[in-house]
Amino acid sequence: QKEVEQDPGPLSVPEGAIVSLNCTYSNSAFQYFMWYRQYSRKGPELLMYTYSSGNKEDGRFTAQVDKSSKYISLFIRDSQPSDSATYLCAMSDSTSYGKLTFGQGTILTVHP
Amino acid sequence: GAGVSQSPSNKVTEKGKDVELRCDPISGHTALYWYRQSLGQGLEFLIYFQGNSAPDKSGLPSDRFSAERTGGSVSTLTIQRTQQEDSAVYLCASSYYLAGGGNEQFFGPGTRLTVL
Repeated sequence: QKEVEQDPGPLSVPEGAIVSLNCTYSNSAFQYFMWYRQYSRKGPELLMYTYSSGNKEDGRFTAQVDKSSKYISLFIRDSQPSDSATYLCAMSDSTSYGKLTFGQGTILTVHP
Repeated sequence: GAGVSQSPSNKVTEKGKDVELRCDPISGHTALYWYRQSLGQGLEFLIYFQGNSAPDKSGLPSDRFSAERTGGSVSTLTIQRTQQEDSAVYLCASSYYLAGGGNEQFFGPGTRLTVL
């Protein structure tokens, strides 16, 4: 079993929909939780960053972390075709130097 | 400013040949990471460099893989006697060093390696 599980999708939604992306993990030492967005043939770019449990909002994006359930989510409101990409969850613990453990990535398509 | 750059962007090689992949990190970033992205596997950590410290090679899949970082800047990932299962996108990332983790890593565009 992988340390981080993420449904690879693909996920296809109409423009304007609310998108929910999720990851579960098994390592209770993880404390830093990130969501990366990766466009086709590009490197991942950091979208959201959360330390420990709680919610964080940035524009149309909201990240949630529930450490008790070992579950993290990314919500995208009013989704746009430009949001079409692969979304990767990533996490690291506080005893290392920031080595990231990634989920498989979810392919999202937002159609007009 | 310039981001992380990688070269070549694409590399096609024959099974059994050696390949070298290059990464130029963001200026001032002392931490450098290599990851591999295979179809359906997500990103897998390969190796980490920080300053002059000994690298963490714990993610390298076999002794055919090696990496070095010269002068604390440019890094080269070498794969010897390539196999078809080495086909993947190799991504480099750099960051400032933060003890205890939590640093933001900036990724390059990757090198797409195809082993025939």
